[in-house]
Amino acid sequence: KAGVTQTPRYLIKTRGQQVTLSCSPISGHRSVSWYQQTPGQGLQFLFEYFSETQRNKGNFPGRFSGRQFSNSRSEMNVSTLELGDSALYLCASSSGQVPYIQYFGAGTRLSVL
Amino acid sequence: SQQGEEDPQALSIQEGENATMNCSYKTSINNLQWYRQNSGRGLVHLILIRSNEREKHSGRLRVTLDTSKKSSSLLITASRAADTASYFCATDGTSGSRLTFGEGTQLTVNP
Repeated sequence: KAGVTQTPRYLIKTRGQQVTLSCSPISGHRSVSWYQQTPGQGLQFLFEYFSETQRNKGNFPGRFSGRQFSNSRSEMNVSTLELGDSALYLCASSSGQVPYIQYFGAGTRLSVL
Repeated sequence: SQQGEEDPQALSIQEGENATMNCSYKTSINNLQWYRQNSGRGLVHLILIRSNEREKHSGRLRVTLDTSKKSSSLLITASRAADTASYFCATDGTSGSRLTFGEGTQLTVNP
């Protein structure tokens, strides 16, 4: 089985721009979760989508949004980028059932200048 | 805030030695998982222990769980240079499918 694929791997943007990140989960997985990882804050949960519905949401501002398509692929969008949004964004897929073992992609490294 | 806290934050050992990392959490859990992350990459699932289990083994990994103390430990025996990575615990519980990750332990195994 192919693993979780995130695109692009690297991205450089300037403040005020918006960005869209993509995640293709493992075939058959219906849940996709997104995380932001920074040296200062660690691994922070953004949101989880299951069968095209947002099932869980972390404590991030509304500038961070996501969606999931019928083929379980997911996108995450960040609008009006700020310097503090520079981070490694990780996507993880799972079956969506207990015990929620997650399979991570390699991540997208976003730099905001 | 993060549910899980891990200690030590960093650990440096020699090849062949054992490495022990600890994780504490705050609320009731159903399962606790450990993940490994090589520098700048995605996390890889290592092992899961359920709340009604006290100890679990997988190869060179041994995980213990003490729900009364809300803590878990990960032991890596006979460490290798390739074990150099960050290790995270993750819990599920009141938030259902949402996993909460600890702050991680950076393990360095010197050849």
